[in-house]
Amino acid sequence: EIVMTQSPATLSVSPGERATLSCRASQSIGINLAWYQQKPGRAPRLLIYRASTRATGIPARFSGSGSGTEFTLSISSPQSEDSAVYYCHQYNDWPVFGQGTKLEIK
Amino acid sequence: EVQLVQSGTEVNRPGDSLKISCKASGYNFPTYWIAWVRQMPGKGLEYMGIIFPDDSDARYSPSFQGQVTISADKSINTVFLQWNSLKASDTATYYCARSSIESLRADFDIWGQGTVVSVSS
Repeated sequence: EIVMTQSPATLSVSPGERATLSCRASQSIGINLAWYQQKPGRAPRLLIYRASTRATGIPARFSGSGSGTEFTLSISSPQSEDSAVYYCHQYNDWPVFGQGTKLEIK
Repeated sequence: EVQLVQSGTEVNRPGDSLKISCKASGYNFPTYWIAWVRQMPGKGLEYMGIIFPDDSDARYSPSFQGQVTISADKSINTVFLQWNSLKASDTATYYCARSSIESLRADFDIWGQGTVVSVSS
């Protein structure tokens, strides 16, 4: 089974300060990676699929990059409403989620 | 509007049987895989398994094989998650989620609102 490792576990940034979240796969998954945002008490929401394509309605400040084993989710100018837990998800093989990164906007 | 609507909160005793549901609307239900995802209190997302409603082909993650049953009823556009004997460790929120394309290997673009299952004596 592929293992997905996210870092850091918690990230605290100021409004307007770029946030960079990482996700590493234990073996190559091509670009078969998605990112989700989850706020407390809510279902996850798809942000990015195929590593870098924004889902419908997702603001342009969210961007994804990477291929193979190293992936990044960037938020260019985070706003208070971006405080949430972010999960990566590989679907190249049997699906697996990362353990999540909690993003706090100070 | 494409949506998945899940059944409501469940409060059960250890040993009870339970079947929760996920009703789809707004798209061609039979041809999109639907997955179940567990989230234990304060924890991350765990992929349980997935089903293709058209032929009820169900696949399970090793951790959940034999512990739950995933089924579908095309006539009512609904997918189910079932337990024969609940344990306290089954306490969690359960989400259904649709694959974004007609493939087993895809992201999940539509999510249900979640069903809270609480198991306690």
